Amino acid sequence: AQTVTQSQPEMSVQEAETVTLSCTYDTSESDYYLFWYKQPPSRQMILVIRQEAYKQQNATENRFSVNFQKAAKSFSLKISDSQLGDAAMYFCAYRILNAGNNRKLIWGLGTSLAVNP
Amino acid sequence: NAGVMQNPRHLVRRRGQEARLRCSPMKGHSHVYWYRQLPEEGLKFMVYLQKENIIDESGMPKERFSAEFPKEGPSILRIQQVVRGDSAAYFCATARDVYNEQFFGPGTRLTVL
Repeated sequence: AQTVTQSQPEMSVQEAETVTLSCTYDTSESDYYLFWYKQPPSRQMILVIRQEAYKQQNATENRFSVNFQKAAKSFSLKISDSQLGDAAMYFCAYRILNAGNNRKLIWGLGTSLAVNP
Repeated sequence: NAGVMQNPRHLVRRRGQEARLRCSPMKGHSHVYWYRQLPEEGLKFMVYLQKENIIDESGMPKERFSAEFPKEGPSILRIQQVVRGDSAAYFCATARDVYNEQFFGPGTRLTVL
């Protein structure tokens, strides 16, 4: 079965501190993309960062970075220097590259992140 | 350079009515994905369409739900005889082709009274 597990329904962090959100996934495929999306109260789904499974180097996007452990099927998101605007739901998702013509995204249930001033 | 557009943003229907949700892809995008987000849950894939073709509808409920993406105009997700369990946020995402990133619209929040 293709699944994504986010074991932390809720997290909180102090402003300017660092927080790590966990994600594990299960797939038998070897080629796939992994994503973290942010969903603020506006409900807009915003791409935060993505990682190609064939790349060993962890992706980084400004204050956001990932720790990708392919063998362990783990894909955690680290937010450094947290800001009030980072407060949102964060979803982990993956997309298989070899699933015929359908590149649908498989999603976790999300982690609600609160940032305390 | 408009992004993915969805309308309406909010839709209220009474049980038994029909709901029509529209998704206008970004310019140059001919692939459309529909996802549903139930309260307190992540997104679930519903259907994948290319112009005039349904490629994969494995996530669509077997009854009452249909989708189309005509040659001209937006993609439409249609829900007939809505029930309270259909209340959710419906997102569409569009892509240039199968290899490129999906861009999400703002979603339509459907409330069934």
